[in-house]
Amino acid sequence: SAVISQKPSRDICQRGTSLTIQCQVDSQVTMMFWYRQQPGQSLTLIATANQGSEATYESGFVIDKFPISRPNLTFSTLTVSNMSPEDSSIYLCSVVSSTDTQYFGPGTRLTVL
Amino acid sequence: GQSLEQPSEVTAVEGAIVQINCTYQTSGFYGLSWYQQHDGGAPTFLSYNALDGLEETGRFSSFLSRSDSYGYLLLQELQMKDSASYFCAALFSGGYNKLIFGAGTRLAVHP
Repeated sequence: SAVISQKPSRDICQRGTSLTIQCQVDSQVTMMFWYRQQPGQSLTLIATANQGSEATYESGFVIDKFPISRPNLTFSTLTVSNMSPEDSSIYLCSVVSSTDTQYFGPGTRLTVL
Repeated sequence: GQSLEQPSEVTAVEGAIVQINCTYQTSGFYGLSWYQQHDGGAPTFLSYNALDGLEETGRFSSFLSRSDSYGYLLLQELQMKDSASYFCAALFSGGYNKLIFGAGTRLAVHP
């Protein structure tokens, strides 16, 4: 299984600011995914990040709000822009193994005041 | 469309057996995964079924029936530490594989 780390693990931010979350994997992976989990809810896929191409966003999520970078096969960032309290969530990155198993990072717990 | 349904809550006692069911919409379905998530933690992979039938991993087993668009997670010899949320998640193929999660089942194990 892949070992995934995320930074920061948690943050408290002011309304209107932006936060960039980093995701690092210990092996090269083709696809990385970003999910959001609002309090008490399930996981919702934000976008798929492929190296060398623009991220593919799910319905309800747009690049201006959640810009994603994928500079190489072991790293990705998700930025939450112009934050509001509704953006308070856990943000998780994940990767798919060669056996179609998806593994998750520890998550970034974001609180927007 | 792509959606999954599972019960919101299940309660059981230590040592018992629990089955958590999951039904899904089939458009582009590729396989079914199960994840465990403790409060404050990240989802942890439990099992993945790409083919019909039963997969057993220790006390946990997972089953898939493609013809019924149905699967379940079976937890045996329940322990207090099994109290957590359990998510079924369907892998859908559409140019790239993506995992869509059910709403989750909160399992409470009592002494």
